[in-house]
Amino acid sequence: DAGVIQSPRHEVTEMGQEVTLRCKPISGHDYLFWYRQTMMRGLELLIYFNNNVPIDDSGMPEDRFSAKMPNASFSTLKIQPSEPRDSAVYFCASSLPSVSGDYGYTFGSGTRLTVV
Amino acid sequence: DAKTTQPTSMDCAEGRAANLPCNHSTISGNEYVYWYRQIHSQGPQYIIHGLKNNETNEMASLIITEDRKSSTLILPHATLRDTAVYYCIVRVWFYALNFGKGTSLLVTP
Repeated sequence: DAGVIQSPRHEVTEMGQEVTLRCKPISGHDYLFWYRQTMMRGLELLIYFNNNVPIDDSGMPEDRFSAKMPNASFSTLKIQPSEPRDSAVYFCASSLPSVSGDYGYTFGSGTRLTVV
Repeated sequence: DAKTTQPTSMDCAEGRAANLPCNHSTISGNEYVYWYRQIHSQGPQYIIHGLKNNETNEMASLIITEDRKSSTLILPHATLRDTAVYYCIVRVWFYALNFGKGTSLLVTP
C-alpha cells in the first residue's frame, strides 16, 4: 500500500485566495483525520470522519475552513479566504480500529501551506 | 481524555536504551496509553499502545505501572534515527487522538 497520500506537498498562496488540500486514505480504512501543526500550537485535530461522515468538527477554527469526504478514497480540506495565520503543515491520517487490533493512525507526509 | 505529563527533552547515547516516562495520574479504566513519534518534518508515526499489560513490538516496549498512573516507553538500542519528538497520549479506544507537546529525544553518537 502507498500509505496516506496528500497533495500538494507545498502550497504558497496569496492572502484571500482559496486553498484546497487533498488526501487519499489507505484503502479499507474507515476513519480519516485532518490535523494542523504550527510551532505555537503544536498538532491540532481539526475534524475527523467515520465512513465518510463528519463526526467531530469542533477543531475547525472558523467558517473559512471546510472539509468534505465525498467517498471512501478521497477527502478535501478547503480554506476560503486564506489568511497568513493559516500558514502551517496540514496532516491527513487514516485508521482502521478493530476489536482484534489497533494499528494506530497512519499519517501522510503533510502539506506545508504558506499564505503571504 | 486524561492529561499526560512528559519531560520536555531528553538525551540518550547511541546504542543505549532510551527510557521515556509519561505521567497520566487521572487515567480512567477504559483509557489506553498510546505512543507516537514525529521525526522532523514527517507525519507522526504510531509506535505502540497498551491498556494495562506491558507490551512489546519490533519498535519498542511499553511498561505500564500497576496503578496505571504512569508508563515508560523503552527503545532498547537507540540509534540516531530515533531522534524525534515522542508523544504519550491517553484516550478511550477509537476516540480521536489529541497530541500534547511530547518529549524531544536527542540521540547522540
